[in-house]
Amino acid sequence: SAVISQKPSRDICQRGTSLTIQCQVDSQVTMMFWYRQQPGQSLTLIATANQGSEATYESGFVIDKFPISRPNLTFSTLTVSNMSPEDSSIYLCSVELNGKGYEQYFGPGTRLTVT
Amino acid sequence: GIQVEQSPPDLILQEGANSTLRCNFSDSVNNLQWFHQNPWGQLINLFYIPSGTKQNGRLSATTVATERYSLLYISSSQTTDSGVYFCAALRVGGGFKTIFGAGTRLFVKA
Repeated sequence: SAVISQKPSRDICQRGTSLTIQCQVDSQVTMMFWYRQQPGQSLTLIATANQGSEATYESGFVIDKFPISRPNLTFSTLTVSNMSPEDSSIYLCSVELNGKGYEQYFGPGTRLTVT
Repeated sequence: GIQVEQSPPDLILQEGANSTLRCNFSDSVNNLQWFHQNPWGQLINLFYIPSGTKQNGRLSATTVATERYSLLYISSSQTTDSGVYFCAALRVGGGFKTIFGAGTRLFVKA
């Protein structure tokens, strides 16, 4: 498996502001992903973070709202921009380990509350 | 895209009881995983099981790929088993996107 850390673990933010979430992995990985989990709901894929190129966004998610960086094979950031209360969710990064087939592992998540 | 359905949506057990959770998926898959989300939100990998049967302690899982379903068995349940159980399916074709089911919310009473 891999050790995946996220910062911050939780935050309370004012509407209209932005928050950047960091995801760090203890080994190089090809595939990194960002998910959102709204209260009481399942997980929804936001985007695939591509190293050295623009992220690939899923339907319903746009780069202006959720810009993603992936400067190397162990690190990625997700920014939640111009936040509203509807953005209150848990945001999770995940990785697919090289050579492990398609098994995914998840970070501990960032619990965001927007007031 | 692929659809993933889980049942039951909610389950209440007395400590020591056994249970079976089901996951149906609408198409052939490259990957099928089971996760446990604990009350603190952490997703814990239980099984990576695109086909066949695996066991890990009190938990076991079976995926019948030809019939497009997977089962998670919990035996001798404990209060620490409480939380939400998700299955997630991946079909690689036109991209790499894992689809999560809605989850089964389990509460084990002491």
